[in-house]
Amino acid sequence: DGGITQSPKYLFRKEGQNVTLSCEQNLNHDAMYWYRQDPGQGLRLIYYSQIVNDFQKGDIAEGYSVSREKKESFPLTVTSAQKNPTAFYLCASTGTADSSYNEQFFGPGTRLTVL
Amino acid sequence: QKEVEQDPGPLSVPEGAIVSLNCTYSNSAFQYFMWYRQYSRKGPELLMYTYSSGNKEDGRFTAQVDKSSKYISLFIRDSQPSDSATYLCAMRNSGGSNYKLTFGKGTLLTVNP
Repeated sequence: DGGITQSPKYLFRKEGQNVTLSCEQNLNHDAMYWYRQDPGQGLRLIYYSQIVNDFQKGDIAEGYSVSREKKESFPLTVTSAQKNPTAFYLCASTGTADSSYNEQFFGPGTRLTVL
Repeated sequence: QKEVEQDPGPLSVPEGAIVSLNCTYSNSAFQYFMWYRQYSRKGPELLMYTYSSGNKEDGRFTAQVDKSSKYISLFIRDSQPSDSATYLCAMRNSGGSNYKLTFGKGTLLTVNP
Protein backbone atom coordinates (compact mmCIF):
# COMPACT_ATOMS: atom_id res chain seq x y z
CA ASP A 1 0.00 0.00 0.00
CA GLY A 2 1.22 3.47 -0.83
CA GLY A 3 1.47 6.00 1.92
CA ILE A 4 3.55 8.02 4.35
CA THR A 5 5.10 6.51 7.43
CA GLN A 6 6.47 8.41 10.41
CA SER A 7 8.50 7.02 13.24
CA PRO A 8 8.52 6.85 16.12
CA LYS A 9 4.89 7.42 17.10
CA TYR A 10 5.91 8.77 20.49
CA LEU A 11 9.26 10.33 21.36
CA PHE A 12 10.60 11.62 24.62
CA ARG A 13 13.54 13.96 24.76
CA LYS A 14 15.55 15.43 27.55
CA GLU A 15 16.30 19.12 27.44
CA GLY A 16 19.48 19.86 25.50
CA GLN A 17 19.22 16.82 23.26
CA ASN A 18 18.79 16.73 19.51
CA VAL A 19 16.27 14.23 18.15
CA THR A 20 15.47 13.15 14.61
CA LEU A 21 11.98 12.31 13.37
CA SER A 22 11.67 10.00 10.40
CA CYS A 23 9.35 10.47 7.42
CA GLU A 24 9.23 8.06 4.48
CA GLN A 25 6.85 8.00 1.53
CA ASN A 26 6.38 5.48 -1.28
CA LEU A 27 3.98 7.61 -3.31
CA ASN A 28 6.72 8.81 -5.68
CA HIS A 29 5.92 12.37 -4.62
CA ASP A 30 8.40 15.15 -5.32
CA ALA A 31 7.35 17.60 -2.60
CA MET A 32 7.48 16.89 1.13
CA TYR A 33 6.58 19.01 4.14
CA TRP A 34 6.96 19.14 7.90
CA TYR A 35 4.30 20.73 10.09
CA ARG A 36 4.01 21.31 13.78
CA GLN A 37 0.61 21.15 15.49
CA ASP A 38 -0.05 22.59 18.93
CA PRO A 39 -3.43 22.61 20.68
CA GLY A 40 -5.54 25.44 19.31
CA GLN A 41 -2.81 26.48 16.84
CA GLY A 42 -3.60 24.53 13.73
CA LEU A 43 -0.77 23.36 11.46
CA ARG A 44 2.32 25.52 11.05
CA LEU A 45 4.86 24.85 8.32
CA ILE A 46 8.43 24.15 9.48
CA TYR A 47 10.28 23.17 6.29
CA TYR A 48 9.41 21.95 2.84
CA SER A 49 11.26 20.37 -0.05
CA GLN A 50 10.24 20.34 -3.70
CA ILE A 51 13.11 18.24 -4.98
CA VAL A 52 15.97 16.09 -3.75
CA ASN A 53 18.87 18.03 -2.22
CA ASP A 54 16.82 21.21 -1.95
CA PHE A 55 14.59 22.55 0.83
CA GLN A 56 13.17 25.85 2.06
CA LYS A 57 12.28 27.27 5.44
CA GLY A 58 8.65 27.53 6.36
CA ASP A 59 7.08 29.87 8.87
CA ILE A 60 8.68 28.46 12.02
CA ALA A 61 12.05 26.96 10.97
CA GLU A 62 14.15 28.22 13.89
CA GLY A 63 15.51 25.36 15.97
CA TYR A 64 14.86 22.73 13.29
CA SER A 65 16.90 21.24 10.46
CA VAL A 66 16.09 18.87 7.58
CA SER A 67 17.77 16.96 4.80
CA ARG A 68 16.49 15.55 1.52
CA GLU A 69 19.08 13.09 0.25
CA LYS A 70 16.50 10.72 -1.20
CA LYS A 71 13.15 11.35 -2.83
CA GLU A 72 11.42 9.00 -0.40
CA SER A 73 12.84 10.41 2.81
CA PHE A 74 12.64 13.79 4.58
CA PRO A 75 13.91 13.53 8.19
CA LEU A 76 13.43 16.39 10.63
CA THR A 77 15.91 17.13 13.43
CA VAL A 78 14.64 19.03 16.42
CA THR A 79 17.72 20.70 17.89
CA SER A 80 18.39 21.91 21.41
CA ALA A 81 17.92 25.46 20.05
CA GLN A 82 14.17 24.85 19.74
CA LYS A 83 12.88 26.33 22.98
CA ASN A 84 9.46 24.71 23.09
CA PRO A 85 9.62 21.47 21.09
CA THR A 86 6.78 19.57 22.75
CA ALA A 87 4.19 19.18 19.98
CA PHE A 88 2.63 16.86 17.42
CA TYR A 89 4.74 16.72 14.25
CA LEU A 90 3.18 15.88 10.90
CA CYS A 91 4.90 15.01 7.65
CA ALA A 92 3.11 15.42 4.32
CA SER A 93 3.82 14.95 0.64
CA THR A 94 2.30 15.91 -2.66
CA GLY A 95 2.89 15.05 -6.28
CA THR A 96 3.81 17.85 -8.62
CA ALA A 97 2.53 16.42 -11.85
CA ASP A 98 0.99 18.87 -14.27
CA SER A 99 -2.62 18.65 -13.12
CA SER A 100 -5.15 21.04 -11.74
CA TYR A 101 -4.86 19.82 -8.20
CA ASN A 102 -2.39 17.84 -6.14
CA GLU A 103 -3.61 16.50 -2.82
CA GLN A 104 -1.34 16.83 0.17
CA PHE A 105 -1.22 13.49 1.99
CA PHE A 106 -0.32 13.33 5.67
CA GLY A 107 1.48 10.76 7.74
CA PRO A 108 0.19 9.54 11.14
CA GLY A 109 2.35 11.96 13.11
CA THR A 110 4.98 11.83 15.87
CA ARG A 111 4.21 13.16 19.32
CA LEU A 112 7.35 14.66 20.85
CA THR A 113 7.51 15.38 24.56
CA VAL A 114 10.39 17.13 26.28
CA LEU A 115 10.98 15.87 29.80
CA GLN B 1 -5.17 39.92 10.68
CA LYS B 2 -4.36 36.24 10.21
CA GLU B 3 -4.55 34.91 6.67
CA VAL B 4 -7.10 32.25 7.63
CA GLU B 5 -9.52 32.50 10.53
CA GLN B 6 -11.47 29.52 11.84
CA ASP B 7 -13.60 29.31 14.97
CA PRO B 8 -11.98 26.58 17.12
CA GLY B 9 -15.26 25.65 18.81
CA PRO B 10 -15.75 23.22 20.40
CA LEU B 11 -19.00 22.45 18.63
CA SER B 12 -21.33 19.81 20.09
CA VAL B 13 -24.45 18.64 18.20
CA PRO B 14 -26.93 15.76 18.48
CA GLU B 15 -26.83 12.93 15.99
CA GLY B 16 -28.72 13.78 12.82
CA ALA B 17 -28.12 17.53 13.05
CA ILE B 18 -26.85 19.66 10.19
CA VAL B 19 -23.40 21.02 10.96
CA SER B 20 -21.96 24.20 9.50
CA LEU B 21 -18.21 24.85 9.71
CA ASN B 22 -16.71 28.06 8.42
CA CYS B 23 -13.47 29.86 7.61
CA THR B 24 -12.69 33.36 6.46
CA TYR B 25 -9.51 34.45 4.72
CA SER B 26 -7.79 37.64 3.71
CA ASN B 27 -5.54 36.62 0.80
CA SER B 28 -7.46 37.16 -2.44
CA ALA B 29 -4.87 35.05 -4.32
CA PHE B 30 -6.16 31.83 -2.75
CA GLN B 31 -7.77 29.66 -5.41
CA TYR B 32 -7.84 26.13 -3.96
CA PHE B 33 -9.88 25.49 -0.83
CA MET B 34 -9.78 22.28 1.14
CA TRP B 35 -11.33 20.68 4.17
CA TYR B 36 -9.37 18.12 6.13
CA ARG B 37 -10.73 15.85 8.87
CA GLN B 38 -8.45 14.87 11.72
CA TYR B 39 -9.32 12.23 14.28
CA SER B 40 -7.66 12.46 17.67
CA ARG B 41 -3.93 11.67 17.57
CA LYS B 42 -4.03 10.94 13.81
CA GLY B 43 -2.85 12.72 10.68
CA PRO B 44 -5.36 14.87 8.75
CA GLU B 45 -7.13 13.34 5.76
CA LEU B 46 -8.54 15.27 2.84
CA LEU B 47 -12.32 15.43 2.91
CA MET B 48 -13.11 17.80 0.06
CA TYR B 49 -11.52 20.39 -2.14
CA THR B 50 -12.96 23.14 -4.30
CA TYR B 51 -11.35 25.25 -6.97
CA SER B 52 -12.43 28.90 -7.07
CA SER B 53 -16.04 29.72 -6.17
CA GLY B 54 -19.12 27.53 -6.02
CA ASN B 55 -20.48 24.44 -4.32
CA LYS B 56 -19.34 20.86 -4.32
CA GLU B 57 -21.28 17.96 -2.89
CA ASP B 58 -20.06 14.52 -1.85
CA GLY B 59 -22.57 12.38 -0.03
CA ARG B 60 -23.47 14.06 3.25
CA PHE B 61 -20.83 16.75 2.79
CA THR B 62 -21.13 20.04 0.88
CA ALA B 63 -18.27 22.51 0.46
CA GLN B 64 -19.12 26.08 -0.42
CA VAL B 65 -16.78 28.89 -1.48
CA ASP B 66 -17.75 32.57 -1.73
CA LYS B 67 -14.70 34.37 -3.02
CA SER B 68 -16.41 37.76 -3.04
CA SER B 69 -16.85 37.50 0.73
CA LYS B 70 -13.64 35.47 1.26
CA TYR B 71 -15.67 32.88 3.11
CA ILE B 72 -15.77 29.09 2.86
CA SER B 73 -18.09 26.60 4.51
CA LEU B 74 -18.44 22.89 5.03
CA PHE B 75 -21.92 21.49 5.69
CA ILE B 76 -22.46 18.02 7.13
CA ARG B 77 -25.98 16.62 6.80
CA ASP B 78 -27.36 13.85 9.01
CA SER B 79 -24.31 14.04 11.24
CA GLN B 80 -23.07 10.81 12.80
CA PRO B 81 -20.99 10.10 15.93
CA SER B 82 -18.23 8.95 13.53
CA ASP B 83 -18.05 12.53 12.25
CA SER B 84 -16.64 13.59 15.63
CA ALA B 85 -13.22 15.01 14.78
CA THR B 86 -11.33 18.24 14.23
CA TYR B 87 -12.06 19.87 10.87
CA LEU B 88 -9.32 21.98 9.32
CA CYS B 89 -9.79 24.35 6.43
CA ALA B 90 -6.80 24.91 4.16
CA MET B 91 -6.15 26.97 1.08
CA ARG B 92 -3.45 27.89 -1.41
CA ASN B 93 -2.65 29.97 -4.44
CA SER B 94 -2.95 28.58 -7.93
CA GLY B 95 0.40 29.93 -9.02
CA GLY B 96 3.85 28.66 -8.18
CA SER B 97 5.01 25.11 -7.71
CA ASN B 98 5.47 24.72 -3.98
CA TYR B 99 1.85 23.77 -3.23
CA LYS B 100 2.13 25.35 0.21
CA LEU B 101 -1.07 25.25 2.19
CA THR B 102 -2.26 27.77 4.75
CA PHE B 103 -4.40 26.16 7.46
CA GLY B 104 -7.04 27.40 9.82
CA LYS B 105 -6.71 26.43 13.48
CA GLY B 106 -9.36 23.72 13.20
CA THR B 107 -12.84 23.27 14.70
CA LEU B 108 -13.41 20.42 17.17
CA LEU B 109 -16.77 18.77 16.46
CA THR B 110 -18.54 16.26 18.71
CA VAL B 111 -21.67 14.48 17.48
CA ASN B 112 -23.58 12.99 20.40
CA PRO B 113 -25.57 9.77 19.92
